[in-house]
Amino acid sequence: DTAVSQTPKYLVTQMGNDKSIKCEQNLGHDTMYWYKQDSKKFLKIMFSYNNKELIINETVPNRFSPKSPDKAHLNLHINSLELGDSAVYFCASSEGLAGGGGTQYFGPGTRLLVL
Amino acid sequence: AQTVTQSQPEMSVQEAETVTLSCTYDTSESDYYLFWYKQPPSRQMILVIRQEAYKQQNATENRFSVNFQKAAKSFSLKISDSQLGDAAMYFCARETSGSRLTFGEGTQLTVNP
Repeated sequence: DTAVSQTPKYLVTQMGNDKSIKCEQNLGHDTMYWYKQDSKKFLKIMFSYNNKELIINETVPNRFSPKSPDKAHLNLHINSLELGDSAVYFCASSEGLAGGGGTQYFGPGTRLLVL
Repeated sequence: AQTVTQSQPEMSVQEAETVTLSCTYDTSESDYYLFWYKQPPSRQMILVIRQEAYKQQNATENRFSVNFQKAAKSFSLKISDSQLGDAAMYFCARETSGSRLTFGEGTQLTVNP
């Protein structure tokens, strides 16, 4: 069984479009995250949610809006896509919250290409 | 800024040999967690090993072990008996506030047969 799943795995779209990436975890974890990996492979946190509550919101353009309908799901909606949004987006989940040191389990990533 | 630095963009090792990947970090906290993740070409992020800073003992997982030097803020990964399947990008990470992971730039490891 897949622990953290993301759909779609690949997304090719035009500039200006709106798209969503979905994430689900079946590990029973309380905390979920979105990370962005750029073309140089650098990974950076975007958001985290704990029990559907937004905990971390890094300096991300407000065109990016996460939504957590329940603690097993964390979706990422992106409005007005730009070329610079092209990247791999990873969802992750972990038990607990701040300072707990819980291992984060990552999804397979969604490669987004904006043309 | 609290950063994680991996000074080796690329490393290579012969199959069955040992290789050490370096990582240093910055923190003002006394208790924290450190991780090594592996990202093969499939791009899946896979946990390799985890270290709790308050534990003196270095973590080990089969062929993978760490050399954790808290005072020096150093956290290197040693891979023994390297295998072809170990070829991947390796990321060092530190848990910071809010359980976010701050990652280093990564080290691309090549294993030569």
